[in-house]
Amino acid sequence: QVQLQQSGAELAKPGTSVKLSCKASGYTFTSYYIYWVKQRPGQGLEWIGYIYPGNGGTYYSEKFKGKATFTADTSSSTAYMLLGSLTPEDSAYYFCARHYLAYWGQGTLVTVSS
Amino acid sequence: DIQMTQSPSSLPASLGDRVTITCRASQDIGNYLRWFQQKPGKSPRLMIYGATNLAAGVPSRFSGSRSGSDYSLTINSLESEDMAIYYCLQHNEYPFTFGSGTKLEIK
Repeated sequence: QVQLQQSGAELAKPGTSVKLSCKASGYTFTSYYIYWVKQRPGQGLEWIGYIYPGNGGTYYSEKFKGKATFTADTSSSTAYMLLGSLTPEDSAYYFCARHYLAYWGQGTLVTVSS
Repeated sequence: DIQMTQSPSSLPASLGDRVTITCRASQDIGNYLRWFQQKPGKSPRLMIYGATNLAAGVPSRFSGSRSGSDYSLTINSLESEDMAIYYCLQHNEYPFTFGSGTKLEIK
C-alpha cells in the first residue's frame, strides 16, 4: 500500500536551515508528484509546491520561493524539502502528500526558536 | 492566485443533523475541487474529489455538489466521528489553494 514516511521533529535556531524528508513506498516513486503543505499550529493548510521525481521538475508558490527547495532521490524513493533562513514564522507542521493529496505523510513539526 | 472562500468557519451541529459547508471559487475551476477532513493531530484525509465523487472508504452520508462557482460538502445524519475540520482545495491551476477551513463541532 502507498505510504509516505516523514522524518522526525526538528528544533532549529533562527537563521539556520532544516532538511525534511518524505520516504515513499508502495508505488513507483518517479510516476507521481510529491506536494508539500504547511500548517501552523491551530491554523489552516497552505500549499507550498511540488516536485516531480520523474524529471526533478519543481514548482513553488510565490510565498515560498527562496524559502523552500525541493529535491528527490530516486534511488531511495525519498523527497526532501530544505527550509532556509528560518524564522519563528516557519514554525509549523509540514506534510508531504502524493498527487493529488490522496496520500499524506504523518507530518514533521519544525520549531524555530533561539 | 485563485481564492477559495469557505463558509462557515465554525459550524455547531447535533448528532443526526444534516450540515453543509461551502467554498466559492474566485475564478472558474471546473470540477477540480477536493474536500479534506482533518482531525486533531492527524494528517488531512481526502473525502471528495472531482467536486462530487466520494473517495475510497468514505461513508455514503458524505456528498459533494456544485452550483456555478459554489462547491458544497454535505454530511447527512451527522455522527460523532465526523467532528473535525474540513477544507476545500482547488487544483485547477497552480498554485493550488485551500479554503480557510470549517470546524464542525457538537452543539
